[in-house]
Amino acid sequence: QKEVEQDPGPLSVPEGAIVSLNCTYSNSAFQYFMWYRQYSRKGPELLMYTYSSGNKEDGRFTAQVDKSSKYISLFIRDSQPSDSATYLCAMSPQGGSEKLVFGKGTKLTVNP
Amino acid sequence: DSGVTQTPKHLITATGQRVTLRCSPRSGDLSVYWYQQSLDQGLQFLIQYYNGEERAKGNILERFSAQQFPDLHSELNLSSLELGDSALYFCASSVDGQSSYEQYFGPGTRLTVT
Repeated sequence: QKEVEQDPGPLSVPEGAIVSLNCTYSNSAFQYFMWYRQYSRKGPELLMYTYSSGNKEDGRFTAQVDKSSKYISLFIRDSQPSDSATYLCAMSPQGGSEKLVFGKGTKLTVNP
Repeated sequence: DSGVTQTPKHLITATGQRVTLRCSPRSGDLSVYWYQQSLDQGLQFLIQYYNGEERAKGNILERFSAQQFPDLHSELNLSSLELGDSALYFCASSVDGQSSYEQYFGPGTRLTVT
């Protein structure tokens, strides 16, 4: 079993839809959970990070962590064509980069 | 624009050769990370430097090495290149050695080995 699993998609939704992106993981030591957005041929861009369990909201984006289920989610409300990108989850046991692991990414297309 | 710069943008070289990729972190950031991204493996952490010292190692091959200089820029050296080394190489930076959860990525260097 891989440490981090992420459905590669592709995921295609109409503009204005609520998007749910998810990752599962197997390492119960993970404490930091990150979401990155990567446009084609660009570097990943940090959207947000959370520590331990709970929710975090930033504008149209909400990150959720359920450590009991080893499951994290990123919700995008009122999705826009500009949200079309690959979304990567990442996680690590502590603040350092030891055992920092990325998911392979989910490709999202938001159709106008 | 993240503030992290990488050169060159593209690099085409032959098998067996050696190349050097360069990265300048965001102003004020002391930690630099190197990643390799390929279609089949995804984003793989290679190595981290903090204030000139190696802090953590990931899946870095022995043919690869890196260093961080006193001005905090970093270089990733890839030698005895193989076809499988063709990938995107990213550099990222963070403010200190314990903030890997808040990294800022550069635009990447696309390496093609022929």
